[in-house]
Amino acid sequence: EPEVTQTPSHQVTQMGQEVILRCVPISNHLYFYWYRQILGQKVEFLVSFYNNEISEKSEIFDDQFSVERPDGSNFTLKIRSTKLEDSAMYFCASRGQENSPLHFGNGTRLTVT
Amino acid sequence: DQQVKQNSPSLSVQEGRISILNCDYTNSMFDYFLWYKKYPAEGPTFLISISSIKDKNEDGRFTVFLNKSAKHLSLHIVPSQPGDSAVYFCAASARTGATNHFFGTGTRLTVIP
Repeated sequence: EPEVTQTPSHQVTQMGQEVILRCVPISNHLYFYWYRQILGQKVEFLVSFYNNEISEKSEIFDDQFSVERPDGSNFTLKIRSTKLEDSAMYFCASRGQENSPLHFGNGTRLTVT
Repeated sequence: DQQVKQNSPSLSVQEGRISILNCDYTNSMFDYFLWYKKYPAEGPTFLISISSIKDKNEDGRFTVFLNKSAKHLSLHIVPSQPGDSAVYFCAASARTGATNHFFGTGTRLTVIP
């Protein structure tokens, strides 16, 4: 069964550094998402992407965050200048149609020191 | 603002018995509801969904009930099995298209053999 893959599985970075989290969504999917989960808290929406542009974003997704789909397969989340509070599990998800379930990757654990 | 709430952080059930996980929402515009299951070190995986035009959807051992007037949904697992032990997230979305899901905080289900 096709799956969403995320790399790396764990990223450690120093405060103020830039990080890029990478995702390969399921190949025929059209809608792409980033979510995050701070330890012990709920899964929070960051951004959705459709037709090569951001379709929706949350308050968390400020100017420090950006997303890109540089080619036909990758979907990346960049954090320009990381803060301690950015430490979380970041999940990429995709889906093929409206009102269909999300398919999640296994996440990237980001630790900002 | 927590638009989707799961008030029970944990639930323990004997193997073979029924597990009932509850979820409440506040946004009356939500029209699509889902349950996801999450094992440690993995992303959430889709379990079952229901649209607002229905009040029940069944898939094998899993049944989701929706009470729109009470803005409440529940997931029933019968019979519960040890492999069902995981964190269960309730999610909801408001419209068709590339919209995001709003997630609850999750309920950790432990099925005791």
